[in-house]
Parts: sequence; structure tokens; C-alpha cells
Amino acid sequence: GAGVSQSPSNKVTEKGKDVELRCDPISGHTALYWYRQRLGQGLEFLIYFQGNSAPDKSGLPSDRFSAERTGESVSTLTIQRTQQEDSAVYLCASSLGIALASYEQYFGPGTRLTVT
Amino acid sequence: AQTVTQSQPEMSVQEAETVTLSCTYDTSESDYYLFWYKQPPSRQMILVIRQEAYKQQNATENRFSVNFQKAAKSFSLKISDSQLGDAAMYFCAYRRSLTGNQFYFGTGTSLTVIP
Repeated sequence: GAGVSQSPSNKVTEKGKDVELRCDPISGHTALYWYRQRLGQGLEFLIYFQGNSAPDKSGLPSDRFSAERTGESVSTLTIQRTQQEDSAVYLCASSLGIALASYEQYFGPGTRLTVT
Repeated sequence: AQTVTQSQPEMSVQEAETVTLSCTYDTSESDYYLFWYKQPPSRQMILVIRQEAYKQQNATENRFSVNFQKAAKSFSLKISDSQLGDAAMYFCAYRRSLTGNQFYFGTGTSLTVIP
């Protein structure tokens, strides 16, 4: 079946502009994660959605970052007033849920954001 | 807070040889899950292998196996009969069991396979 998809694959924006990144999880996956991966670094947790529960926003680095999810489908990550330090690959992942912690995450290909 | 450390930023291995990637983690939990993910240049993260902390037996998946030392909080990945397609970034990850919704990732090890 279809995997996790993300769009756009690449985004170049000017400092100060707002950007929206989109993630389409695997159908039926109730859990959705956003991560940031800076060049040469590991994955930095940003936000987590699980069903209709309140999202875990503990990883969002500032109030310029926000994310929404429509039910158990599409999610958008919005970065307002982008800064150069926001340049990174933004990865989305989905999983069946947390009922069994062994549920693996399935990752999308990421969106490479470059802020000039 | 949980932390995951990969002390080898880069590793190389000759094709058909064996290589071991190191990972240590810090936790006060007794029940958790550990994962190794592979990220090729395409950026697509792929699960390689997982280990449940309550299992003493080391997980294996074909050419991939782990050496899980719970007391030492060590979780190394061994790749046998290395192939050119194994070249990628490898990330070690930790997840608390049951209520653990966050995954904690190490900074990765870049593996080069030499023909």
C-alpha cells in the first residue's frame, strides 16, 4: 500500500516568510509524528498526534511552530516568520498507535526547507 | 530525560565483511524498546531491527543482529556480509514502553561500504 507522503519535497523561502509543510500518513495509522533533522544531526522530536487526544507539543522549539491534524489523516506543520536556523529536513512519521510500543514508525521522505 | 549516544560519526567496512555500530542510552525505565533505523541518501528512514528490553535474546533479522546489554545500557548493531546497499546513515532510537509516545534518536553513524 501507499506509504507516508510529504509535500513539497523541497522548499526554498525567504527569511520572514511563513511556510506550510504537509504530511499524508498511512491510512489507518492513528499516530503521527513530526521531526526536524538538521544537517549532520539526528532527529529532533517536534510534535505528536494520537487519535483525538490533545497533541504532545513538547518538542516545538518556539511559538513560531505549530501543527494541525485533521482527524486521523493529513497533518500540516506551519512555521511562521522563518529564520535561517529553521533550515533543515522535516520528517513525518506515522504508526498504528501507542497501544503496543513495539509499533514501528513509518517515515515519509521528508521536506528539505532552506531559508535564505 | 532519555538520551541516546552514538559515538561513531563515521564507519567504513569492506564489502562482504562484518561491521558493528555502537549505541548507548540513558534511562531509569526498566521496560522500553530499542530500534535501529537506516537512512539512505533518499532520506527515507527504514526500520532495520527492534529489541524489546524485557527479552534477553538478541534480535536478529537476516544479516542484521544486535548485541543488547541491558545492564550496560548498550545496543550495538552488527551487519554481516556487508553489501553496497547497506551504505547509509544508521540511527539508534529508544522508546519508553506502553505510554511512551516519543522516540529518542541518536545523532547517527554514517556507514560507507568499500567495494
